[in-house]
Amino acid sequence: GQNIDQPTEMTATEGAIVQINCTYQTSGFNGLFWYQQHAGEAPTFLSYNVLDGLEEKGRFSSFLSRSKGYSYLLLKELQMKDSASYLCAVRPYGGRRALTFGSGTRLQVQP
Amino acid sequence: NAGVMQNPRHLVRRRGQEARLRCSPMKGHSHVYWYRQLPEEGLKFMVYLQKENIIDESGMPKERFSAEFPKEGPSILRIQQVVRGDSAAYFCASSPAGLGETQYFGPGTRLLVL
Repeated sequence: GQNIDQPTEMTATEGAIVQINCTYQTSGFNGLFWYQQHAGEAPTFLSYNVLDGLEEKGRFSSFLSRSKGYSYLLLKELQMKDSASYLCAVRPYGGRRALTFGSGTRLQVQP
Repeated sequence: NAGVMQNPRHLVRRRGQEARLRCSPMKGHSHVYWYRQLPEEGLKFMVYLQKENIIDESGMPKERFSAEFPKEGPSILRIQQVVRGDSAAYFCASSPAGLGETQYFGPGTRLLVL
């Protein structure tokens, strides 16, 4: 089976840094994705980790520890437009391409 | 390069009617995935298709739901005899060939069953 946990809601201040955690328990592992989803819109791809460590992409970074079943998404210099849901998704091993998504973390950025 | 296209964006059906949702993948992508998102819930995988083949339908309800991706034309998700519980956002994603490839999502079809 597959289980992915992330906090339901978070609040942060414009200009600050926020870390969104994701823990997973899956029957296999072949990569972890982070997507951003604004209300009523499509998920947009943010990052992909398959090896342990930190991947940095502008204001967004994503970290993975496979041994701990743990990832986080780090957002720096928060902007109001970063208010959205952030979805953690895992792709299992073995050729299956279907992604298993967490329920998402709704981030509210305040002035 | 156009992204993943889905139509219609909004669809209203009465109970018992049929719903047809269409998805055209990004140019150069040969793999299509359908996901469903219920209100306030995460995305749930339904089916994965390549041209003329269903590769993984482990997330599809056993009855009333079917999907196809013909040689020519868009992928279609078909829901027969819709019920109120089918009301959801249905997202299509596509990816190129290759196991490590990222899935890119379309804008979704929001189905409302009255």
